[in-house]
Amino acid sequence: NAGVTQTPKFRILKIGQSMTLQCAQDMNHNYMYWYRQDPGMGLKLIYYSVGAGITDKGEVPNGYNVSRSTTEYFPLRLELAAPSQTSVYFCASFRGQGEKLFFGSGTQLSVL
Amino acid sequence: LAKTTQPISMDSYEGQEVNITCSHNNIATNDYITWYQQFPSQGPRFIIQGYKTKVTNEVASLFIPADRKSSTLSLPRVSLSDTAVYYCLVGGSQGNLIFGKGTKLSVKP
Repeated sequence: NAGVTQTPKFRILKIGQSMTLQCAQDMNHNYMYWYRQDPGMGLKLIYYSVGAGITDKGEVPNGYNVSRSTTEYFPLRLELAAPSQTSVYFCASFRGQGEKLFFGSGTQLSVL
Repeated sequence: LAKTTQPISMDSYEGQEVNITCSHNNIATNDYITWYQQFPSQGPRFIIQGYKTKVTNEVASLFIPADRKSSTLSLPRVSLSDTAVYYCLVGGSQGNLIFGKGTKLSVKP
């Protein structure tokens, strides 16, 4: 049981490049989340999903896209990377109300 | 969606009990209250969760008054390794889980 797995752990992008942050969970959780955390700041919700085929915007969705074709995977797509997207990205999953969030180890992204 | 308010920072000394209070005036009937701990460069990790009254586990206690508009995380006899950011998270009945700003706890020797 690996929990929540994120790849890559580190990445440097040039302005305007695109990339996909991968997130997988093996706990059969319906709910999955993407957060970003800027240095010294709290977590901001980017997108979330309450089940396969269902996604919704969080607090800071601009510049990102997500898909949820299966229960296990919840990739986050960055199109046209900008310096403002330099951050640490955390993926998390959750069984439901009354349960706890499980977090991945994070992806540190720098856009230069 | 319940918004949470916590102190930005707190200082303590080793061996003391630390109480961090979170305000969540708009908590919904179905919402649970969950506290997470985050160390630098790591994802948050679960500490304790409750719905009402008092919950205790091996690392902390959680006190929730009858109106559920606030909650208090109690850390007994803190050590240097408890220096971290602590988040109170309320909600989840609609799926969106939004974190507040958290409380940065600094434990000094």
